[in-house]
Amino acid sequence: KAGVTQTPRYLIKTRGQQVTLSCSPISGHRSVSWYQQTPGQGLQFLFEYFSETQRNKGNFPGRFSGRQFSNSRSEMNVSTLELGDSALYLCASSLARLAGTYNEQFFGPGTRLTVL
Amino acid sequence: AQSVTQPDIHITVSEGASLELRCNYSYGATPYLFWYVQSPGQGLQLLLKYFSGDTLVQGIKGFEAEFKRSQSSFNLRKPSVHWSDAAEYFCAVVGYGGSQGNLIFGKGTKLSVKP
Repeated sequence: KAGVTQTPRYLIKTRGQQVTLSCSPISGHRSVSWYQQTPGQGLQFLFEYFSETQRNKGNFPGRFSGRQFSNSRSEMNVSTLELGDSALYLCASSLARLAGTYNEQFFGPGTRLTVL
Repeated sequence: AQSVTQPDIHITVSEGASLELRCNYSYGATPYLFWYVQSPGQGLQLLLKYFSGDTLVQGIKGFEAEFKRSQSSFNLRKPSVHWSDAAEYFCAVVGYGGSQGNLIFGKGTKLSVKP
């Protein structure tokens, strides 16, 4: 079974631009979560999508947004890029999560975003 | 708020030596705990997880971890380190309440292996 794929793997943008990152989950997985990894802040949760609905959101400004499609593929968008948005953005997928249960998350290789 | 602490930022061990990476968490109930490993330029790979039951859990690549509720710890161990174990290791707990379902990570411990 193929793992989580993320495209592109590397991106270079300039301040003020916007960017869209894509994530394809493992087949059959319906939950997709996004994390930002930086040397200073470490790994931080951005948001989770399930059945095309945002189910959970971390503490990030509104410039960070996402969506999920009917095939469970997800995109995240960052508008008006700032230098501090330079990071590795990781996507993780998991099976549907029922109340009171937890299914482990499987991570993709990430997209390295550099903002100049 | 829930949190995970990995006290050691960087550890160096000799190849063949034993390894213990420390992890402490703050959590109100029985936590779901994980250890992930990240090689340079790569995503996160799950080493092992604890949901309930036996407090000593076995993972991939010869790693194990022990859940100690009294110490709020979930330390990762390996009896004999290989050069290929050099990587960064992250301990994580599943959030609850407002953070339900997402992973809360420690800052990571970078492992270097001396030949």
